[in-house]
Amino acid sequence: DSGVTQTPKHLITATGQRVTLRCSPRSGDLSVYWYQQSLDQGLQFLIQYYNGEERAKGNILERFSAQQFPDLHSELNLSSLELGDSALYFCASSVTEGAVNTEAFFGQGTRLTVV
Amino acid sequence: GENVEQHPSTLSVQEGDSAVIKCTYSDSASNYFPWYKQELGKGPQLIIDIRSNVGEKKDQRIAVTLNKTAKHFSLHITETQPEDSAVYFCAASIRPGAQKLVFGQGTRLTINP
Repeated sequence: DSGVTQTPKHLITATGQRVTLRCSPRSGDLSVYWYQQSLDQGLQFLIQYYNGEERAKGNILERFSAQQFPDLHSELNLSSLELGDSALYFCASSVTEGAVNTEAFFGQGTRLTVV
Repeated sequence: GENVEQHPSTLSVQEGDSAVIKCTYSDSASNYFPWYKQELGKGPQLIIDIRSNVGEKKDQRIAVTLNKTAKHFSLHITETQPEDSAVYFCAASIRPGAQKLVFGQGTRLTINP
């Protein structure tokens, strides 16, 4: 168990809908990262938050947004869902973003299926 | 931006033999290279990492080597066991501290008893 908790584990929804994925980082970790894993694109970095502030953006669509709350949990919001958004969404956390790279611990993921 | 290529995509070895997975990266500014193991239904788990100021690192049956000049790094697993069967991902970080990992496409390793 990595200590990173993601809910829900599975989500099935229809095209055009909006969903929210939730992530609780490991205790003490200030940085949260979201990744998307699909068969054709592999693991892709979406966005990073550090202590409530957005720090880095990757290949995140405009239909997707995220935030990190004062208690450090994070939510990834996916709207106007398309079939191609079906994927595993992982959250990872690390202690700090500091001057030295630190290990990122991944959660178990949320499997999103858009039908 | 950074691009990480990983080979092979699938690898099958006999139990007890060694397995080697290779990755190349494009951005010479990358300075952190972790390897993750992903088992079915689980998230990626860090198994070993190496920083750009080190050429080799070993942890029991697992070792990683880095050649900064050639911009490639490799994972070596010796004395393979059935529980080593999984998908392995290499990654590179281009921005110190931001942990924005760029992953390779993954290698499905199968250990045959």
